[in-house]
Amino acid sequence: NAGVMQNPRHLVRRRGQEARLRCSPMKGHSHVYWYRQLPEEGLKFMVYLQKENIIDESGMPKERFSAEFPKEGPSILRIQQVVRGDSAAYFCASSPSPGASVDFGSGTRLTVV
Amino acid sequence: SQQGEEDPQALSIQEGENATMNCSYKTSINNLQWYRQNSGRGLVHLILIRSNEREKHSGRLRVTLDTSKKSSSLLITASRAADTASYFCATDHPGATNKLIFGTGTLLAVQP
Repeated sequence: NAGVMQNPRHLVRRRGQEARLRCSPMKGHSHVYWYRQLPEEGLKFMVYLQKENIIDESGMPKERFSAEFPKEGPSILRIQQVVRGDSAAYFCASSPSPGASVDFGSGTRLTVV
Repeated sequence: SQQGEEDPQALSIQEGENATMNCSYKTSINNLQWYRQNSGRGLVHLILIRSNEREKHSGRLRVTLDTSKKSSSLLITASRAADTASYFCATDHPGATNKLIFGTGTLLAVQP
C-alpha cells in the first residue's frame, strides 16, 4: 500500500499562471481532504470530497480555487491566476470512511514567484 | 483564534527526558488526534482518542483527554533526538463533515 501520493512535491509558478496539484488516495479510500499550511502555521481545512462529489468546501477561497475527485484518476486541486499569497504547502489526506483516522500525503510545496 | 491551541509553542529538552505538550479546543468533539510533522515533510498520524476515552497509550506516547476542560495532553517518554519535530493536535466535530481543525503546533527539539 503506497499511501497517499501527491505530486509534484515542489511546484514553482509565476504570478498569473495556473497550478495543478494531484492527489491519489490510499487504496480503498474514497474520502479525500485538502489542507493548506502557511509557513510556521498549522494546517487549515480547504475542501472535503468523495468520488465525484464535493461534500464541504467551506475552507476554499471563493475565487480562483477549485477541486475535483473524478470517478477515475486522482483528486485535483486547481489554483488559477496564482498570487504570491498562494505560496504554501498543500496537503492531501484520505480516509476509508467518516470518523476514521486520516492518512496524509507528503504535500506539494507551491512557490509563486 | 484557532479551535486547537497547543502549548507550549516551542519546547527544548535533553534526550531521555519526557516531553509534555498540551492542546485546548473550544467546542464539542467526536475525537482528537495527534500528528507529528518533521521539518518540510508531511504529517504522520500518532494517535486518535475518542471523546468517550480518557487516556490512550501507544509505545512511548501517552495521550489524555479531559472533555470537561476541553483539553488534551501528549506525553512522550524517554525522548530521542529523532522525536524532534512539530506536533499538532486536530479535532473533528459533530456535524462538521469530517474536517479536522488543527492547532498551531508545538515545536519540540530534543538535544542529544
